[in-house]
Amino acid sequence: GAVVSQHPSWVICKSGTSVKIECRSLDFQATTMFWYRQFPKQSLMLMATSNEGSKATYEQGVEKDKFLINHASLTLSTLTVTSAHPEDSSFYICSARATSGRYEQYFGPGTRLTVT
Amino acid sequence: QQQVKQSPQSLIVQKGGISIINCAYENTAFDYFPWYQQFPGKGPALLIAIRPDVSEKKEGRFTISFNKSAKQFSLHIMDSQPGDSATYFCAASMAWNDMRFGAGTRLTVKP
Repeated sequence: GAVVSQHPSWVICKSGTSVKIECRSLDFQATTMFWYRQFPKQSLMLMATSNEGSKATYEQGVEKDKFLINHASLTLSTLTVTSAHPEDSSFYICSARATSGRYEQYFGPGTRLTVT
Repeated sequence: QQQVKQSPQSLIVQKGGISIINCAYENTAFDYFPWYQQFPGKGPALLIAIRPDVSEKKEGRFTISFNKSAKQFSLHIMDSQPGDSATYFCAASMAWNDMRFGAGTRLTVKP
């Protein structure tokens, strides 16, 4: 149980284009989903927290207009990187917390984004 | 701000040895302390977690030791195996809140 999927697992896009990453909780409902960014050999950096049906809460320094987050259902959240640039290249990981849970977060397998 | 400090940054252990990773936290409101294991190119996987009402929790070869007064907790991996080679992250959170991660420890278990 508690499986989170991400799609795509990797994506290459040209500078200036937009990329959408999906995060799904497969066997549980998630009121809250989190989006992280991870650079090589570094820790996870929280980008934003999204609650189903509400606007996402972004961490300080994260551009809201660049990283659009939508959490339209209890099993799906999407992250859209708009007008991507090479510096946006990174490993993006989502996690989900079950509606019934107070603490545990279950992580997706991550999406490797490369912007050329 | 770094609310959870993790050490060491990297660790090399012989097969069969004990791996010990330490974390310290600042916010006394944290009440959930998980450890995650991450392999290259994969998302973190929950390994074991502890609440501050107990001082130790053991699951198989993995043990968390928790010292509330010192605001420290550690992960012990007994009988370390090459398959345990991964990056380990400690974290801390409060109920209904997001999680704060340590910087990570890259563990290498040599055969």
